[in-house]
Amino acid sequence: GNSVTQMEGPVTLSEEAFLTINCTYTATGYPSLFWYVQYPGEGLQLLLKATKADDKGSNKGFEATYRKETTSFHLEKGSVQVSDSAVYFCAPAESQGNLIFGKGTKLSVKP
Amino acid sequence: KAGVTQTPRYLIKTRGQQVTLSCSPISGHRSVSWYQQTPGQGLQFLFEYFSETQRNKGNFPGRFSGRQFSNSRSEMNVSTLELGDSALYLCASSLDRTAYGYTFGSGTRLTVV
Repeated sequence: GNSVTQMEGPVTLSEEAFLTINCTYTATGYPSLFWYVQYPGEGLQLLLKATKADDKGSNKGFEATYRKETTSFHLEKGSVQVSDSAVYFCAPAESQGNLIFGKGTKLSVKP
Repeated sequence: KAGVTQTPRYLIKTRGQQVTLSCSPISGHRSVSWYQQTPGQGLQFLFEYFSETQRNKGNFPGRFSGRQFSNSRSEMNVSTLELGDSALYLCASSLDRTAYGYTFGSGTRLTVV
């Protein structure tokens, strides 16, 4: 099956800093790729997605580009806010449709 | 538009007991999936139901089972609970998995004592 390797955390940044969370995956074919975010005590929220090579997913200032050459889907944001503090999960889809989740990267943003 | 609703939010059970968790998907979503989240193993796929049929299954023992009703609501059952079953159980529904991904509920926190 597919697998995913996600940058280990925790990551601590100051407000307005640039964020990158690395994600690489192994897969047969070209799976749909997702980033989910989990705030304390809550379930997962879909942050962004890309369904084919070179697609760029974006939402709330976050972006990620589907790079099939490097099998990567790195998450970026130009200027983080305190409210972005959460755990971020990279998740490629298996061929059967279920998601494979990375270990998660905890982000803390300090004012 | 109502989201994915999971009940109950919290449960405490004793080893050896069984438990049933419930999930109501977003209206119109026929696919319902279940995931287990633990600090050690992270998020792991349990199973997926579509139109009352199990479409896909993860690598969990037979103590974990589920079903889906004609209104797309789903339940999962864990029998003979073990301490290691303590986890956050997340339900997710989807209209089109590839195009839209999944919408998750807030989860049921199960503690086995």
